[in-house]
Amino acid sequence: AQTVTQSQPEMSVQEAETVTLSCTYDTSESDYYLFWYKQPPSRQMILVIRQEAYKQQNATENRFSVNFQKAAKSFSLKISDSQLGDAAMYFCAYRSPGGNNDMRFGAGTRLTVKP
Amino acid sequence: DAGITQSPRHKVTETGTPVTLRCHQTENHRYMYWYRQDPGHGLRLIHYSYGVKDTDKGEVSDGYSVSRSKTEDFLLTLESATSSQTSVYFCAISLAGIGSYEQYFGPGTRLTVT
Repeated sequence: AQTVTQSQPEMSVQEAETVTLSCTYDTSESDYYLFWYKQPPSRQMILVIRQEAYKQQNATENRFSVNFQKAAKSFSLKISDSQLGDAAMYFCAYRSPGGNNDMRFGAGTRLTVKP
Repeated sequence: DAGITQSPRHKVTETGTPVTLRCHQTENHRYMYWYRQDPGHGLRLIHYSYGVKDTDKGEVSDGYSVSRSKTEDFLLTLESATSSQTSVYFCAISLAGIGSYEQYFGPGTRLTVT
């Protein structure tokens, strides 16, 4: 079964600075999807960004971008110009193509933003 | 907003009592999921459904059952609640057949078993 590892339980960043959250995964599949979700104190899970494994270009959504290294099975999230509202738990997730469409999640990284 | 609601949002119950959590969606999505969230584990799949009356087990299904008699409703039942089932429960839908099949989540239910 696929596993997702987030090795940083906690991270902190100064407001307006850049921070990178790490994620690695284990799979034997060649085609899959990767996601980052944000969970603020409200508890709502919010999709931040997605990456299709067959695409070489790294996904970008405004201040959020990923560094997808397929051979290394690495999928890091970079947050630029950090804002106080970025403080949250961040979860990396993996999904296989087809099947039941379920996702495998990492344990999460808690991001603190310092003013 | 994927139109997903969960009820109740909070519940405290005693060990050994049955509990049913409800997930309701308004957009006729085929795939629905129940996850539990615990510190250090992220979200783990309990059960999922791929259509009315079509359900299957996930990674941590022991002690849980589900039912889906209508497209819009997916029920999670704890037949006899235990303290190990104290958790936050999330329902999700998948945009199957659309794009990268990402999932969208309900607001969660915090369940405490005393």
